[in-house]
Amino acid sequence: DAGITQSPRYKITETGRQVTLMCHQTWSHSYMFWYRQDLGHGLRLIYYSAAADITDKGEVPDGYVVSRSKTENFPLTLESATRSQTSVYFCASSESRGDYGYTFGSGTRLTVV
Amino acid sequence: QKEVEQNSGPLSVPEGAIASLNCTYSDRGSQSFFWYRQYSGKSPELIMSIYSNGDKEDGRFTAQLNKASQYVSLLIRDSQPSDSATYLCAVNWRGSQGNLIFGKGTKLSVKP
Repeated sequence: DAGITQSPRYKITETGRQVTLMCHQTWSHSYMFWYRQDLGHGLRLIYYSAAADITDKGEVPDGYVVSRSKTENFPLTLESATRSQTSVYFCASSESRGDYGYTFGSGTRLTVV
Repeated sequence: QKEVEQNSGPLSVPEGAIASLNCTYSDRGSQSFFWYRQYSGKSPELIMSIYSNGDKEDGRFTAQLNKASQYVSLLIRDSQPSDSATYLCAVNWRGSQGNLIFGKGTKLSVKP
């Protein structure tokens, strides 16, 4: 399917477990982004990537790890999940860093219990 | 301090009226401005982009930009109940290497 897809759509995990959220895009966009959305905070940037093997921290990177070995994939890993990481996570992609807007995936709702 | 400010709402308008959504930003170097619509439980969807001062119209939507006042607005004419959603303002932020910074959104409710 064309576009940007995230998996899983919903995930419940226990505190301390490692969990990976997947993001795949078919447009060959150079830039990919991970945001989390929480009530009262809006969308906050976790990590972004300008190309394969190039990643950088955003506003709230602590507790998260990313990798980008292929242009189309940008997984986000919570190394040891905490309750404060309960959130809705959105992956996005773009041809540029900020000139044309981003296209978002459908999101992953993560609950840490 | 990077800031993109929006009234959280809810903004309630009757069907057929004009809805006016406002956004202010603090980075004078910002060059690109966007409006996203987000339905409850869904992902943000890009509906308008604007890059220069003035108005930009697309169907029932008009984006307005005033860089001197650091102000962006979105007008929705002939509002429909299907326009009920949260509207997010986004600005590219030179301080963060041009990544988009989002406001917290304004919730719009269009009453039949």
